[in-house]
Amino acid sequence: KAGVTQTPRYLIKTRGQQVTLSCSPISGHRSVSWYQQTPGQGLQFLFEYFSETQRNKGNFPGRFSGRQFSNSRSEMNVSTLELGDSALYLCASSLERGTYEQYFGPGTRLTVT
Amino acid sequence: GENVEQHPSTLSVQEGDSAVIKCTYSDSASNYFPWYKQELGKRPQLIIDIRSNVGEKKDQRIAVTLNKTAKHFSLHITETQPEDSAVYFCAASRGQNFVFGPGTRLSVLP
Repeated sequence: KAGVTQTPRYLIKTRGQQVTLSCSPISGHRSVSWYQQTPGQGLQFLFEYFSETQRNKGNFPGRFSGRQFSNSRSEMNVSTLELGDSALYLCASSLERGTYEQYFGPGTRLTVT
Repeated sequence: GENVEQHPSTLSVQEGDSAVIKCTYSDSASNYFPWYKQELGKRPQLIIDIRSNVGEKKDQRIAVTLNKTAKHFSLHITETQPEDSAVYFCAASRGQNFVFGPGTRLSVLP
């Protein structure tokens, strides 16, 4: 079975721009979670989607948003980029059927200049 | 909300020795506790997990113990090898709401 995939792998944007990141979960997995990883803050939970609905949300400003499609693929969007948004964005998928195990994608490295 | 602390932040051991990383959590409703290993430039990999109805789980050289009363859980790695060098993250969750510890950088010296 193919693992979690994320595109693009690397991205350079300018302050004020917006960006969309994509995550394809493991086949059959219906839950997709997004995390921001930085050296100083570790792994911070952004939000979780299940069956196209946002089920959980972390403590991030409204500039961070996401959605999930009927095939469980998910996108996250960051508007009005700030320098502090530079980070590795990881998504993780879970089967959500009596099991909580999350499997991570390779991440998208976002650099804001 | 849930808060997860992890100690130590860095750990160096000699090859063949054991390594222990400890995490504490604050929300007694958390019921699932995974451990992830992240090598440099790679994604976090799930290495072992434990649920709240179990006190200990072992998988070859890796074991995890959970003390629900004290709200702490620990990762034990025996007979460490250089390839065990990585950053290890613990997490506590209730459903799909995961809170991660800050990580422990483990270095196994040959």
